[in-house]
Amino acid sequence: DGGITQSPKYLFRKEGQNVTLSCEQNLNHDAMYWYRQDPGQGLRLIYYSQIVNDFQKGDIAEGYSVSREKKESFPLTVTSAQKNPTAFYLCASSPGTGETQYFGPGTRLLVL
Amino acid sequence: GQSLEQPSEVTAVEGAIVQINCTYQTSGFYGLSWYQQHDGGAPTFLSYNALDGLEETGRFSSFLSRSDSYGYLLLQELQMKDSASYFCALSSNTGKLIFGQGTTLQVKP
Repeated sequence: DGGITQSPKYLFRKEGQNVTLSCEQNLNHDAMYWYRQDPGQGLRLIYYSQIVNDFQKGDIAEGYSVSREKKESFPLTVTSAQKNPTAFYLCASSPGTGETQYFGPGTRLLVL
Repeated sequence: GQSLEQPSEVTAVEGAIVQINCTYQTSGFYGLSWYQQHDGGAPTFLSYNALDGLEETGRFSSFLSRSDSYGYLLLQELQMKDSASYFCALSSNTGKLIFGQGTTLQVKP
């Protein structure tokens, strides 16, 4: 089946710890995105990548880092510099930038 | 800058018709999308308008007026399963998708 997978479904972070959220797609899409969603809020763009080995900051990139070494994969690292990381993190992909985006099931990050 | 406005909550009864409005501000407009998100789930794509007019997909329709910077999502024959949040999202020449804050639709029996 084609689609986008995210893992884990739930992730717990300790104080001062970096954690990495996985996002994989087999849709052969060029563009991939990471969003953060807080309760009752819309989606805010963290980072996006239009092509392999290239990515741009979104609106709330501070405290996060990404890599795009393979077309299929766009992992997000939540660093210790992100002081309020508790949120629902959504990964999406699209054939090209500005086109319809398809979302993975999301990862809920909680701070211990 | 770019921004979207949509109502925070809408309530309707089963079988009725409901319209969720979205106004936007942007330069370099490409299109307006609509997404549905059930509680705890991921957003799913509903429709996209790049040109003025109505796009129909089953019980859902979406309308766009570029001159008014306005669009709406129309849901007909409401069902309980339509209770969800609905987001309008703006595509522009930035290459990014900007999401509204979402409208929570509650369908009552």
